[in-house]
Amino acid sequence: SQQGEEDPQALSIQEGENATMNCSYKTSINNLQWYRQNSGRGLVHLILIRSNEREKHSGRLRVTLDTSKKSSSLLITASRAADTASYFCATGGSNYKLTFGKGTLLTVNP
Amino acid sequence: EAGVAQSPRYKIIEKRQSVAFWCNPISGHATLYWYQQILGQGPKLLIQFQNNGVVDDSQLPKDRFSAERLKGVDSTLKIQPAKLEDSAVYLCASGYSADTQYFGPGTRLTVL
Repeated sequence: SQQGEEDPQALSIQEGENATMNCSYKTSINNLQWYRQNSGRGLVHLILIRSNEREKHSGRLRVTLDTSKKSSSLLITASRAADTASYFCATGGSNYKLTFGKGTLLTVNP
Repeated sequence: EAGVAQSPRYKIIEKRQSVAFWCNPISGHATLYWYQQILGQGPKLLIQFQNNGVVDDSQLPKDRFSAERLKGVDSTLKIQPAKLEDSAVYLCASGYSADTQYFGPGTRLTVL
């Protein structure tokens, strides 16, 4: 079963705009991670936020985590056409195991 | 550092045939994972190895799927016999901690 649920399922924006994706999950977690998948390729790790953290930044990425609401958001600022991809949240436990959501398909139009 | 290698990249077979996928993880990574990703969905864990022992295979359809990791390095995933619903991308990942997993490019399987 899939733990995380991303919202929206698809998002289309213009280059330079910001993109926000949300993830909700059901059980307690050790960490929450975001991955990117370009068409036909493997997943690339973007950022990890631990359960005791509320916000984290990496370059143009900003992730927030609200454990009381069991939700996270990924913000990509100043988007580029190269950001076009599917984005997945994955919840991590102590057993080295990740459970992925269904993903958000982001299209950035030049 | 070299990434996770997988082969073949694409495979087309008839239903009821057998198929095998190979994965070479990043050197030094003790944990190896096989995922199945059906079109439009997120990856679903099939099996997790720690060195050459199985940690979790609760979602592996054991009547038709098998996997092994000899000597705690390379791994193979086999499907025998394949069904139409096995059409998916099979992803291999490896890791050395409970945090980040590093994914290979995947094998796209089409079962006709």
